[in-house]
Amino acid sequence: EIVLTQSPGTLSLSPGERATLSCRASQSVSSSNLAWYQQTPGLAPRLLIYAASSRATGIPDRFSGSGSGTDFILTISRLEPEDSAVYYCQQYGSSQYTFGQGTKVEIK
Amino acid sequence: QVQLVHSGAEVKKPGASVKVSCKASGYSFINYHMHWVRQAPGQGLEWMGMINPRDGNTNYAQKFRGRVTMTRDTSTGTVYMELNSLTSEDTAVYFCAREKPAALNFDYWGQGTLVTVSS
Repeated sequence: EIVLTQSPGTLSLSPGERATLSCRASQSVSSSNLAWYQQTPGLAPRLLIYAASSRATGIPDRFSGSGSGTDFILTISRLEPEDSAVYYCQQYGSSQYTFGQGTKVEIK
Repeated sequence: QVQLVHSGAEVKKPGASVKVSCKASGYSFINYHMHWVRQAPGQGLEWMGMINPRDGNTNYAQKFRGRVTMTRDTSTGTVYMELNSLTSEDTAVYFCAREKPAALNFDYWGQGTLVTVSS
């Protein structure tokens, strides 16, 4: 099973700042198999990015994804108060899906 | 519009089984895989498995094989997840999530069903 490790655990930034979230895989992941989700308290996750760098429908362009192999990045270019949430990466490999443990983004 | 509507919260005793449903609407039910993902209180997301509504084929996470069964009813557009031999560690919100075949991600999620296991 491929293990995804996200860092940092918590990110505390001010509105307008740039957030950089990391997702590292225990073995190489095809870029087409890597996605990112946003989850706010009490709600279901929302798909943000698929295939490592493609934005899902309706996702603002301040969200972007990059990376390949074992290292992937989610960037929020200009934080807004509503971006306060937990962000998860997710991969598919060998008929199994796994999630990272999440990064919490706090807006000061 | 796409909607995935879960059954209501459940309280179960250790050793019991629970069956949670997720009713889909607003799209062609048999053309999208359905997955189950759970989230224990204050914890992250855990993939449990998936069902292909077209033919009923399933693929379960290794952790849950032998303890979980996913089924579907094409006449009502509903998928079911049954989990047996419950322990307190199964206390979680259980989500269904839709996948376009071969997309390898989940584009719509249900609101979740809270299952509490307590003696």
